[in-house]
Amino acid sequence: AQSVTQLDSHVSVSEGTPVLLRCNYSSSYSPSLFWYVQHPNKGLQLLLKYTSAATLVKGINGFEAEFKKSETSFHLTKPSAHMSDAAEYFCVVSGEDKLSFGAGTTVTVRA
Amino acid sequence: NAGVTQTPKFQVLKTGQSMTLQCAQDMNHEYMSWYRQDPGMGLRLIHYSVGAGITDQGEVPNGYNVSRSTTEDFPLRLLSAAPSQTSVYFCASSYSTGGPWETQYFGPGTRLLVL
Repeated sequence: AQSVTQLDSHVSVSEGTPVLLRCNYSSSYSPSLFWYVQHPNKGLQLLLKYTSAATLVKGINGFEAEFKKSETSFHLTKPSAHMSDAAEYFCVVSGEDKLSFGAGTTVTVRA
Repeated sequence: NAGVTQTPKFQVLKTGQSMTLQCAQDMNHEYMSWYRQDPGMGLRLIHYSVGAGITDQGEVPNGYNVSRSTTEDFPLRLLSAAPSQTSVYFCASSYSTGGPWETQYFGPGTRLLVL
């Protein structure tokens, strides 16, 4: 069995400042971990994926995430937020028979 | 490629009505899934398919049926709509080498309101 906890339901940042979205997971496997982004009224789009090749994963649009096994975390960061980053972000862990989605973090970017 | 397409984009039903949500993909993906998205709950798996003619239940299958007669299409049927089925429904597909629980390609969603 696996589970995902996104520690913040809402994050508000100013344009040009760093973004940090926190995700903890539990899994009995060595899981694959994902971050997806959902812009308003759109489907989910893959930002990045961890599959054990490297602990620091680079994704699209300047996002990256670091896998820390000892902390069971997979936090998402971006050095400088852009207005277009306003969206909902989902941390996802794969398991033997399903994907488990976090509840989501809504990011607001202030001008 | 169009990717994953879903129709309709929005639907209003009365309690007890039935309907079919359509999903199609043109990427020749073997695996397809249906999810529902409710506020504060992320996405939950309704049904999935690992190939034409093969389907299985996910976390929340009650009140829904699926079939997979071709690789491209994976319709979701609501048998007798209930207000609890008001949600946003997403279809997704993934390619064979990754398995059904790897990178998902999502459609744009169908917003369903049951009165």
